[in-house]
Amino acid sequence: DSGVTQTPKHLITATGQRVTLRCSPRSGDLSVYWYQQSLDQGLQFLIQYYNGEERAKGNILERFSAQQFPDLHSELNLSSLELGDSALYFCASSVGEGPPPYNEQFFGPGTRLTVL
Amino acid sequence: GENVEQHPSTLSVQEGDSAVIKCTYSDSASNYFPWYKQELGKRPQLIIDIRSNVGEKKDQRIAVTLNKTAKHFSLHITETQPEDSAVYFCAASGETSYDKVIFGPGTSLSVIP
Repeated sequence: DSGVTQTPKHLITATGQRVTLRCSPRSGDLSVYWYQQSLDQGLQFLIQYYNGEERAKGNILERFSAQQFPDLHSELNLSSLELGDSALYFCASSVGEGPPPYNEQFFGPGTRLTVL
Repeated sequence: GENVEQHPSTLSVQEGDSAVIKCTYSDSASNYFPWYKQELGKRPQLIIDIRSNVGEKKDQRIAVTLNKTAKHFSLHITETQPEDSAVYFCAASGETSYDKVIFGPGTSLSVIP
């Protein structure tokens, strides 16, 4: 158990809908990273927040947004969902602001999103 | 765009044999190369990484080599065990910027007892 929690574990929804995925980092970690893992695209980095502010942006679609709250938990919002958004969404947390190798990331168990 | 290729996509070895997975990257600015192991249904786990100022790094049965000129790096697992069976991902990124991190498509390794 990495200490990173994600809810829900599974989510099934329909095309066009909007969902929110939640991540609680390990105690003391200030950075949260979001990743998408799908059969088509493989593992992709989406976005990083550090202490409430966006720090790095990867292949995140405009239909997706994220934020990190004062208590350091983070939410990933996915809107106008398409079939291709079906994937496993991981969050990870680390102590510091910098990327690996300076800050080891600890991954959560993931949220499996199915869009029908 | 930039990409990371990974070969083979599947690899099957006998227990005790060695396994080698190779990755090639295109972004010459990449200087950090981690490897992740993901067991079925589990989260990715960093198993070893290498920075561009180092040619080789070893951690027990696992080693990674880097050839910056050729833009390729490899994961070597010796004395494989059944618990090494998993999907392995390589990645390439900047050492100070994570924006451009790109992951390889993964190699499914099966170690046959």
